[in-house]
Order: sequence, then structure tokens, then C-alpha cells
Amino acid sequence: GENVEQHPSTLSVQEGDSAVIKCTYSDSASNYFPWYKQELGKRPQLIIDIRSNVGEKKDQRIAVTLNKTAKHFSLHITETQPEDSAVYFCAASRDNDMRFGAGTRLTVKP
Amino acid sequence: KAGVTQTPRYLIKTRGQQVTLSCSPISGHRSVSWYQQTPGQGLQFLFEYFSETQRNKGNFPGRFSGRQFSNSRSEMNVSTLELGDSALYLCASSLISGGGSYNEQFFGPGTRLTVL
Repeated sequence: GENVEQHPSTLSVQEGDSAVIKCTYSDSASNYFPWYKQELGKRPQLIIDIRSNVGEKKDQRIAVTLNKTAKHFSLHITETQPEDSAVYFCAASRDNDMRFGAGTRLTVKP
Repeated sequence: KAGVTQTPRYLIKTRGQQVTLSCSPISGHRSVSWYQQTPGQGLQFLFEYFSETQRNKGNFPGRFSGRQFSNSRSEMNVSTLELGDSALYLCASSLISGGGSYNEQFFGPGTRLTVL
């Protein structure tokens, strides 16, 4: 089955800096790659996603890139703010069989 | 539209007991997936149901089972509970399933299960 690895497990940045989280996946048939943000005590919420026919997608301060050949994808957050502090999960999915990375705890220091 | 709901929100059981958790998807969503979330293991995929059929299954023992009803509501059952089953169980629903379609999943609030 699909195996998703996510790095780093923790990330601390200064407010205003950029944050990058990287994931790799094993199943070349995976075709949907969402990123979820989970704040303490809350449910995961989708923040951005990308499909396998797209290489890059941007939504305001958040962007995701996908390299199908290398089977890796990354989340980029620019101009980080304290409210960006949370755990971020990447996932790879094929036909709703969605496997998640282990998560990255992002801390944005004011 | 109402979001995904799960009941109960909290549950305490003892080893050896069995438990049933319920998930009601967003109206119109036909796919329901279940995940186990623990601090050490992150989000682990249990199974996915679509049109009352289990379509996908993760790497969990047979003690973990589920089903889906004709109204798309889903239940998962864990028999012979072990201490290691203590976790947050999340369900997620999506509008459609398969065929390379857009599969955004919406999560419920979860059921926190504690096994003593």
C-alpha cells in the first residue's frame, strides 16, 4: 500500500519567515495530494490540495508543489503568522484510499 | 449544510469490551473513511465505505470492522479492546469516490476512546 513520509516532524520559525514541509509517497498511482492543518483539540481542516495533473498551486500565502517523477510534494507557507502554528499533515490518495504523513508541528514565534 | 458529526464524543471502556462508534456524513456525501489518531502514530487509515461497501482497508487487525447504511451513515466497531486502542477516532466524508475524482475529505470532530 501507499507509504507517505513527512519531514520535518517539528519546525520552528520566526514570524514573517517562510516554512517548508516536504513529503514523499510510494504509490505512483496516487493522484490527489491534500494538506491538512490541525489546531490543538480541533479536527483536521483542508488548507490546500493538488491533483496529479498539476505541478503547482497557490492560495495567498500557501503554495504546494508536486513532482510526480520524484514522487514528492511540498507545502510552502510565506510570511508566517502566529496563527499558522499547528500540526500540518500531508496525504496521498488514490480512489479515496488516503494515507497521511506523520505530521509536522509548526511553531511560529512572534 | 451541517458538517460531519460523530457520536459519542468521549468513551471510556475496559480491556476486553467492545465499542461501536457512529459517523454521520455531510448530506449528499456517499463516502465515509475512518482514521485512528494517536500521538505516536499520527493519522492511520482504517477503512473507507462507499455505497454500503468497504472499498479500501488499512493495516488494522480484524478486531476493527465497520459498515455503512443506505443513508450513508457509518459505524465502526472494535471488539476485544486493548489498551493500545486508546485514541481519537476520526471519520471523514467526501462527495464522491474513485475514478480519479476530486476527493476532498471533511473530518468530523472525532470520538476520543479511552481503554482502561
